[in-house]
Amino acid sequence: DARVTQTPRHKVTEMGQEVTMRCQPILGHNTVFWYRQTMMQGLELLAYFRNRAPLDDSGMPKDRFSAEMPDATLATLKIQPSEPRDSAVYFCASATRDPNYGYTFGSGTRLTVV
Amino acid sequence: GQQLNQSPQSMFIQEGEDVSMNCTSSSIFNTWLWYKQDPGEGPVLLIALYKAGELTSNGRLTAQFGITRKDSFLNISASIPSDVGIYFCAGMNYGGSQGNLIFGKGTKLSVKP
Repeated sequence: DARVTQTPRHKVTEMGQEVTMRCQPILGHNTVFWYRQTMMQGLELLAYFRNRAPLDDSGMPKDRFSAEMPDATLATLKIQPSEPRDSAVYFCASATRDPNYGYTFGSGTRLTVV
Repeated sequence: GQQLNQSPQSMFIQEGEDVSMNCTSSSIFNTWLWYKQDPGEGPVLLIALYKAGELTSNGRLTAQFGITRKDSFLNISASIPSDVGIYFCAGMNYGGSQGNLIFGKGTKLSVKP
């Protein structure tokens, strides 16, 4: 059963610290998405990549967030410096070339910034 | 930008009852998807709809792609306790440089045994 793997599952950090979240997309999926989920805003798209190239990161605060795909098996989302308002669940999802078939989501990283 | 209005926000029903939820959009979509999220997990795809008017079933779940392409509904028949979770609708217009899903805010379903 193919899965999207996210690490860590939970992260508690102090304000100002750097946070790195990792995602291993499903082998063969060429599109990777980062979403943030909060009670107030629901699921928000932060950024996405196709064939490792960033296509849209307009949903991401540029001053502190960065997303990269150093290779086809790894996507990273970094927050530096982190702030309490960044507390949320961050989901990675991957899709095939035709995303009409839907995305497969990972189990998420629950981030708490204190 | 495009927005999806999903209703109801939450439902608290008795086991065995049927459930209906819907999603409306301010603009048209080419694809409608329905996801379910269990606590502590990511959303899981339930049903995908690709044509206006399309009616698709997956077990006790039935979803329809509205004729206007601006709405979709999901029905769950004879609910059971494991149906508990948050259901999300999502719309997509695949083509051009985009292809990302727009999600509704979710319908939280609680089932009384």
